[in-house]
Amino acid sequence: QVTLRESGPALVKPTQTLTLTCTFSGFSLSTSGMCVSWIRQPPGKALEWLALIDWDDDKYYSTSLKTRLTISKDTSKNQVVLTMTNMDPVDTATYYCARIDRGQYYFDYWGQGTLVTVSS
Amino acid sequence: SYVLTQPPSVSVAPGKTARITCGGNNIGSKSVHWYQQKPGQAPVLVIYYDSDRPSGIPERFSGSNSGNTATLTISRVEAGDEADYYCQVWDSSSDHLNWVFGGGTKLTVL
Repeated sequence: QVTLRESGPALVKPTQTLTLTCTFSGFSLSTSGMCVSWIRQPPGKALEWLALIDWDDDKYYSTSLKTRLTISKDTSKNQVVLTMTNMDPVDTATYYCARIDRGQYYFDYWGQGTLVTVSS
Repeated sequence: SYVLTQPPSVSVAPGKTARITCGGNNIGSKSVHWYQQKPGQAPVLVIYYDSDRPSGIPERFSGSNSGNTATLTISRVEAGDEADYYCQVWDSSSDHLNWVFGGGTKLTVL
């Protein structure tokens, strides 16, 4: 059974750095073709893809946010970590992690999401 | 970067057919995936690779993709289908890889 769960602070101040952790089970990120991604959704708005890391430690970032994002993995802990620097109120959103199975290009399993509010 | 355009809303009576479109430049040359999102819940994959259904998704959900438009079709619409629907593609057309979502369509069951 595949599960993903996001964790991190519910509230961050402007200019701070956000660190989110995705803890997953039911698959291994050391399996060829496996990927984990981060996607966010501001309240009442659309989904926005942020970053992806694959089994081979290749990393891909949203063009518009790449200077602020870092994605990493700890295969032994079954975790993927996303950091976003210089947080702003417009970054208030629910942040999801999701899986891409071997060689696919869609997200087949999602975490329940974690709401991050940016406010002083 | 690649842009996907969806109508903000679609309304349909119960038992009728709903069609939700996703427009993009030559989208027919890409694989389109669709997600259903109910209020307060994470998205759920309902169609992948244009027209395939994951296990557990009713046959009432189908998809097509040609030219500049992909379409999610929901037959015999039920009240439980009321949700936001998002299309998604993987874009490698620039020197950058991107997973792109459409703006979402709110399906209202009248």
